Amino acid sequence: EVQLVESGGGLVKPGGSLRLSCVASGFTFSSYSMNWVRQAPGKGLEWVSSISSSGTYIYYADSVQGRSTVSRDNAKNSLYLQMNSLRAEDTAVYYCARSLGIGNYHFDYWGQGTLVTVSS
Amino acid sequence: QSVLTQPPSASGTPGQRVTISCSGSSSNIGSTTVNWYQQLPGTAPKFLIYSNNQRPSGVPDRFSGSKSGTSASLAISGLQSEDEADYYCAAWDGSLNGYVFGTGTKVTVL
Repeated sequence: EVQLVESGGGLVKPGGSLRLSCVASGFTFSSYSMNWVRQAPGKGLEWVSSISSSGTYIYYADSVQGRSTVSRDNAKNSLYLQMNSLRAEDTAVYYCARSLGIGNYHFDYWGQGTLVTVSS
Repeated sequence: QSVLTQPPSASGTPGQRVTISCSGSSSNIGSTTVNWYQQLPGTAPKFLIYSNNQRPSGVPDRFSGSKSGTSASLAISGLQSEDEADYYCAAWDGSLNGYVFGTGTKVTVL
């Protein structure tokens, strides 16, 4: 059974940093691209970042470009999102999701999400 | 940034047909395939339709998708109470070099 489990969320002050993790199981992690999608409270879905299966190709939304770094460790079946210079508008549930590639591909499995709250 | 536009809400009685539109542009829907996601209250999104009109196993055939030009649609026929959820379209945008989601549509079963 495919499982994606996020962790690392919490309360952080504006300007602070946080590292989110997503541990995968039930499939060959190194064969899939991985993605981060967030959802602010009461709002819609917003794509954040994507990383190819080998980590060679990486994309970011303009809203996090320059402040966030996505990475993966295929030996640990893990995906990460390092978020710096956090702002109130980064408050959201962050989901990791799997896809066969980047571009013309859908997100076929999603984690349950981890909540990031940026507040003083 | 939501560059795909959906109506904020749609509703119907049990058994009715409901259609949700998704309007984009030549850099996203017009040049790639559209996927649809369903988000039940308090849960993570789940993928519903991929490649414009393909249903993954386990998704009832009352859900169907279509695409024409720079717009796409999701239809739910034979509406059921368990279909009450938020629905999002999504596509890759070649100009933004990223995925874009629709604004989301809340479906209510009256």
